[in-house]
Order: sequence, then structure tokens, then C-alpha cells
Amino acid sequence: DGGITQSPKYLFRKEGQNVTLSCEQNLNHDAMYWYRQDPGQGLRLIYYSQIVNDFQKGDIAEGYSVSREKKESFPLTVTSAQKNPTAFYLCASTGRPPKGYTFGSGTRLTVV
Amino acid sequence: GQNIDQPTEMTATEGAIVQINCTYQTSGFNGLFWYQQHAGEAPTFLSYNVLDGLEEKGRFSSFLSRSKGYSYLLLKELQMKDSASYLCAVREIYGGSQGNLIFGKGTKLSVKP
Repeated sequence: DGGITQSPKYLFRKEGQNVTLSCEQNLNHDAMYWYRQDPGQGLRLIYYSQIVNDFQKGDIAEGYSVSREKKESFPLTVTSAQKNPTAFYLCASTGRPPKGYTFGSGTRLTVV
Repeated sequence: GQNIDQPTEMTATEGAIVQINCTYQTSGFNGLFWYQQHAGEAPTFLSYNVLDGLEEKGRFSSFLSRSKGYSYLLLKELQMKDSASYLCAVREIYGGSQGNLIFGKGTKLSVKP
């Protein structure tokens, strides 16, 4: 079955370390997105990519980086520059014409 | 600017009906979505409205008025498993973010016995 896979589900890192969150989809979707969710904040857009080898900053891109070398993959790196990285991270994708999003199951990152 | 408002929390009784409202102001409009999200899980798609009116799908219905920038999600015959957060999202069409969804902060619904 087609879907979008995020790994790992839980991730612990020490402060000051970079960490990369994986997002893979086999839906043949063009657009992919990374959101961060904090309690009471809703979903906030970090980065998005509408085609391979191109991506755009969202509302809260500082301290994050992404790449889109393949259509199926859109990894997110949380760098040491991100001041408050502990959060629930959601990856999503959508096809053309754009419809609703398909979400991955999320990665809960805890920085200690 | 972009602004999507929905109540933070609501409580309802099992078997009852509840209406969750959403108002929005966005630059360009190309559809409104409702998602359900249980704690610690990914959002799942509930409904999509692009034209004015009511869309019914089982126990869930969604209404849209584009002129008023207003939508609601109606949940009938509430069940305990309906306890979740409900996210309203608007798809923009203008600017560099074609097709992106803008999310409200979500409404946490608690269903009591």
C-alpha cells in the first residue's frame, strides 16, 4: 500500500547535536512538507518542496535544513542552532492537482 | 495576512451533537479541510469543502460559506472515540505557496459519558 513513512517514531538527542528526521513516500506525490507541532500551537510550517531539487522556507525555518534530491524523500535536519527543538514533527505530501495532505505518523524529538 | 480561528476546547456528551466553528482570513482561497488528530498521532482527513454548502459523510458533516469566511464541522451521535483535536485548514492559491495548507490551532474535543 502507498503511504508516507517517518522514522524514527521517538528520538532523543543531546543539546548541541544535529539530528536528521527521515520522511519517505511512495505515493508519487510532487509536494512534501515538514510541520512542527507544540501543545496549543497547532501545526507550523518549517519547509516545503513542490518539486525535486527545490524547496522553500516556511514560517519557522530558522535552525532547520532540508534536501530534496529524490521525489520520494524529504529529510529534515534539526541543527544545534534551533533553540527549542523538542517537539512533535510531522511530514506530509500531496499530489497534483493539490488536494489534502497525507501525513506521516510523526517523530517526537526530545533534546536533553 | 493569514488567520484561522477556532475554539481551543469543547466538551460534549456521548450521543449528543457538537458543532466546531472555524473562521478564516487568507490571501486566496482554494478549499477548506477538516482533520481529526488523536493525541500523539498524525492528523487524518475528515472532509473537504470548496463550494458553499454542506457536505455530509456519515456522522460527520462540514459546512462552508466563502462570503463569510466561515466553516463548521458537525459531529452527530458522539462516541467516546471522537475525543480528539479537530484541525481546520485552508488551502491558499496565491503567491509562492500554491497549494499549501494553513492550519488553525485546533479544537480539543472531550466527549463525556
